[in-house]
Amino acid sequence: KNQVEQSPQSLIILEGKNCTLQCNYTVSPFSNLRWYKQDTGRGPVSLTIMTFSENTKSNGRYTATLDADTKQSSLHITASQLSDSASYICVPPRNDYKLSFGAGTTVTVRA
Amino acid sequence: DVKVTQSSRYLVKRTGEKVFLECVQDMDHENMFWYRQDPGLGLRLIYFSYDVKMKEKGDIPEGYSVSREKKERFSLILESASTNQTSMYLCASHSASGFQETQYFGPGTRLLVL
Repeated sequence: KNQVEQSPQSLIILEGKNCTLQCNYTVSPFSNLRWYKQDTGRGPVSLTIMTFSENTKSNGRYTATLDADTKQSSLHITASQLSDSASYICVPPRNDYKLSFGAGTTVTVRA
Repeated sequence: DVKVTQSSRYLVKRTGEKVFLECVQDMDHENMFWYRQDPGLGLRLIYFSYDVKMKEKGDIPEGYSVSREKKERFSLILESASTNQTSMYLCASHSASGFQETQYFGPGTRLLVL
């Protein structure tokens, strides 16, 4: 069973607009929740790392939220730019090295 | 900056061939990982290593083996490549200071098995 569900699977937004990506997970928390950005043809790059005591964390125009009680996280992109076109992967906490990666949300920003 | 490099960006192999994928990291990290990434499935862990000559199976180790003879280098081996091993392979590393560490990924190797 997939322990990480991300939605939507893909979305298209106009440059300058905002969007929010969702991540629901079922694993029991131990370590941190991470969001990664993966450009086409590249490896994932870390955007944010949140402990399960944090509710929100920002990295420039990216803001991640976490509700550890409901096991939900979101990633909000503000004033989107063409360079935000990528896949965004949620990695919820687990109690070992075997991190569970979501399938990702593919964001396409159009001019 | 941490740098994780992979020996090839693209590879085309035939069924039954032995395939070596090499990964090198330059930050003296203890932990190294091999994942494969397929559309709609996310990254899945094949093997990881927490020290030289140490290895542990991930979620999908069948058909793969690994080698860690030096701390900076972690190799993934497909003993006899099959078409269902066509995928993007990603190597990652992080330090041993805890599960809180960020994993740093290489650029990936896109393998096509014909």
